[in-house]
Amino acid sequence: SQQGEEDPQALSIQEGENATMNCSYKTSINNLQWYRQNSGRGLVHLILIRSNEREKHSGRLRVTLDTSKKSSSLLITASRAADTASYFCATDAPNDYKLSFGAGTTVTVRA
Amino acid sequence: SQTIHQWPATLVQPVGSPLSLECTVEGTSNPNLYWYRQAAGRGLQLLFYSVGIGQISSEVPQNLSASRPQDRQFILSSKKLLLSDSGFYLCAWSHSSYTGELFFGEGSRLTVL
Repeated sequence: SQQGEEDPQALSIQEGENATMNCSYKTSINNLQWYRQNSGRGLVHLILIRSNEREKHSGRLRVTLDTSKKSSSLLITASRAADTASYFCATDAPNDYKLSFGAGTTVTVRA
Repeated sequence: SQTIHQWPATLVQPVGSPLSLECTVEGTSNPNLYWYRQAAGRGLQLLFYSVGIGQISSEVPQNLSASRPQDRQFILSSKKLLLSDSGFYLCAWSHSSYTGELFFGEGSRLTVL
């Protein structure tokens, strides 16, 4: 079953703008991760944030986590055409080996 | 470095025919292995995962089965495909110590006609 839900489902922005997408989940988590999927390809891990962390940065990516609201956001700054992809959040529960994925946000960056 | 191979990349099969998708991992030992299915425009549904040879956990009762005959080999099978089995199948692995991150293969697109 899907644990996370991303919002919005789709996002279209101009190159150079920032893209923000959100993820909400339902049950307690151990980690929350964000993955990227180019059309027709496998998923690539972007960033992992632990349940006791509130914010994390990696290059042009910034992730926040609010466990009280059971939500996370992914910010991509200064977007590029190559950032066009679908972005998924994924969560795992304590003492669990499994990741549950949301339905994803499709981001289109216009040149 | 670790790599994951998944094949075939594309498959068109008639209803009622058998299925075998294969996934192998190189460069690591005793990985956790996973099969996910992705319907068009949707998220990923976990089908099976394995923490060791011969140890398979099924997440969703369905027409599919999985086997792990060797440490780094994971096979997804069906004896008789249904139309609803169409989709994009993704194999993934994680470290046996499970740091959280999954590493995905390039996927196998199955169309059942």
